[in-house]
Amino acid sequence: DAGVIQSPRHEVTEMGQEVTLRCKPISGHDYLFWYRQTMMRGLELLIYFNNNVPIDDSGMPEDRFSAKMPNASFSTLKIQPSEPRDSAVYFCASSKHRRNTEAFFGQGTRLTVV
Amino acid sequence: GNSVTQMEGPVTLSEEAFLTINCTYTATGYPSLFWYVQYPGEGLQLLLKATKADDKGSNKGFEATYRKETTSFHLEKGSVQVSDSAVYFCALTLANAGGTSYGKLTFGQGTILTVHP
Repeated sequence: DAGVIQSPRHEVTEMGQEVTLRCKPISGHDYLFWYRQTMMRGLELLIYFNNNVPIDDSGMPEDRFSAKMPNASFSTLKIQPSEPRDSAVYFCASSKHRRNTEAFFGQGTRLTVV
Repeated sequence: GNSVTQMEGPVTLSEEAFLTINCTYTATGYPSLFWYVQYPGEGLQLLLKATKADDKGSNKGFEATYRKETTSFHLEKGSVQVSDSAVYFCALTLANAGGTSYGKLTFGQGTILTVHP
């Protein structure tokens, strides 16, 4: 398997613009997680899905953030409008509900909002 | 709630030195414990894990033992290399009594390790 695939790897956008981050989880995994990494707050869980259904979005910072998972092989995290404080590395991870499971992470998207 | 606390960093060592990065946790139920490593510019990779008390996880010369009595999972390596320079994250996920979980992770703040030749 190719692992968790995220795109783009880097994104630079102007404040106020819409940003869409994409993730393809590992085939057969039934959980998908979006994390954000910043120097100040470390790794934070934003939202996670089970079988394409959002389970907990309590980590989403504001209404400007939204996430979807239209099918088992694709998820998006959208920020609209973007702000400079959204600058961070966003990671997608997937896992399978089973004994001794582990989460597999993508390479991340480094977002810079200027 | 569940939480993970790592020793303050950064940690700077000379090659072949002994490494310890402390990690303690607070959790209800049956946590599984992990160490993830993040090399510069890359995503997180699982380094090792332990799913029940007294288990020892090991990989690439790194070891950590799940100590329920002290709620700790300290990372150790006997002789570090320059290539071990990275950020190390301790994390936990909650499992049921049979060890089944779905992988939602709670992370520590991360420890930056720099190894000089």
